[in-house]
Amino acid sequence: ELKVEQNPLFLSMQEGKNYTIYCNYSTTSDRLYWYRQDPGKSLESLFVLLSNGAVKQEGRLMASLDTKARLSTLHITAAVHDLSATYFCAVGLTGSNYKLTFGKGTLLTVNP
Amino acid sequence: DADVTQTPRNRITKTGKRIMLECSQTKGHDRMYWYRQDPGLGLQLIYYSFDVKDINKGEISDGYSVSRQAQAKFSLSLESAIPNQTALYFCATSDGREQYFGPGTRLTVT
Repeated sequence: ELKVEQNPLFLSMQEGKNYTIYCNYSTTSDRLYWYRQDPGKSLESLFVLLSNGAVKQEGRLMASLDTKARLSTLHITAAVHDLSATYFCAVGLTGSNYKLTFGKGTLLTVNP
Repeated sequence: DADVTQTPRNRITKTGKRIMLECSQTKGHDRMYWYRQDPGLGLQLIYYSFDVKDINKGEISDGYSVSRQAQAKFSLSLESAIPNQTALYFCATSDGREQYFGPGTRLTVT
């Protein structure tokens, strides 16, 4: 059974600071996703990581994937209030017919 | 127009009632999914379908059933709603690379 663990689950940070959210998973995977969710809204795709060593950046967010360590990170650089949201990682099992297993999410609050 | 739509967006129902949540997509994807989201638990897969004749149970299918009426339509039913089915429900489609989520249905069972 695939297990996906995110930490921290809650993150309060000041504007301008840097921080990293971690996503560990328990079995071999060939796909990892990061999503953003605003309160009461749907999930917005941020990054799709498909290979070991993949690194993607969009604005103040950068995601990376280490398949050997079964670890993905979402790094936040110089946080701004607009980044306040819940961030989920989701992992697809190799050969699982595109099912995803989600982490519990990290609630990020960026304070002025 | 949105690519993945869900109706209703909000619903309050009573314990024991049957309720259907509907999902439609214009993306032309064969793969469709129903998820449930509870606070602090992420998303859990209820059912998924790869075409009209292929429907599969997910992690938490008990108490739910689905119908794939066409490639574009995938409905989720609660045969006899109970309060612990109060949650946010999402439909999603996939092109085999990414999943695309609908806006969600907030269901409250009293």
